[in-house]
Amino acid sequence: GAVVSQHPSWVICKSGTSVKIECRSLDFQATTMFWYRQFPKQSLMLMATSNEGSKATYEQGVEKDKFLINHASLTLSTLTVTSAHPEDSSFYICSARDPQVRREGQFFGPGTRLTVL
Amino acid sequence: GENVEQHPSTLSVQEGDSAVIKCTYSDSASNYFPWYKQELGKGPQLIIDIRSNVGEKKDQRIAVTLNKTAKHFSLHITETQPEDSAVYFCAASTSGNNNDMRFGAGTRLTVKP
Repeated sequence: GAVVSQHPSWVICKSGTSVKIECRSLDFQATTMFWYRQFPKQSLMLMATSNEGSKATYEQGVEKDKFLINHASLTLSTLTVTSAHPEDSSFYICSARDPQVRREGQFFGPGTRLTVL
Repeated sequence: GENVEQHPSTLSVQEGDSAVIKCTYSDSASNYFPWYKQELGKGPQLIIDIRSNVGEKKDQRIAVTLNKTAKHFSLHITETQPEDSAVYFCAASTSGNNNDMRFGAGTRLTVKP
């Protein structure tokens, strides 16, 4: 149980284009999902908390107009990187909470590697 | 807010030896401490967690200890195997709070065969 998937696993795009990353909870309903960004050999940095049916809560320093988050259902959250630039290249990881399995724990997706040329 | 420090940043052990990774946290209100293992190119995987109402938890070769007074917790891996090689992250959060989980910087563990 508590499986989280991400799509795509990797994407290469041109500077100025937008990229959408999907995060799905496969066998549970996730009222809350989280989006992280991870640079090479660094820790996970929380970008935003995504709540089903409401606006995402962004961490300080994260541009909400650049990183659009939508959590339209209990099993799907999407992150859209708008007008991507090379500095947006990173490993993006989502996670979800399944209170039925672990009240506090987060289950992570496999990540999406974004490369902006 | 919470600040989590993790040491060492890299750790190399011989197969069969034990490995210990230590973390400290700053917020005395934190009461949930998970450990994650991340293999190259993959997302982190929860391997063990501990809540503040216990001092130690064990799961086969993996154990975690917690010292609430000193605000530090440790991951212990015994009888290490090459497949234990990965990056390990500790984290701390307040139970019930959605977005206050903070991660340590990670420890790259290498187990030499």
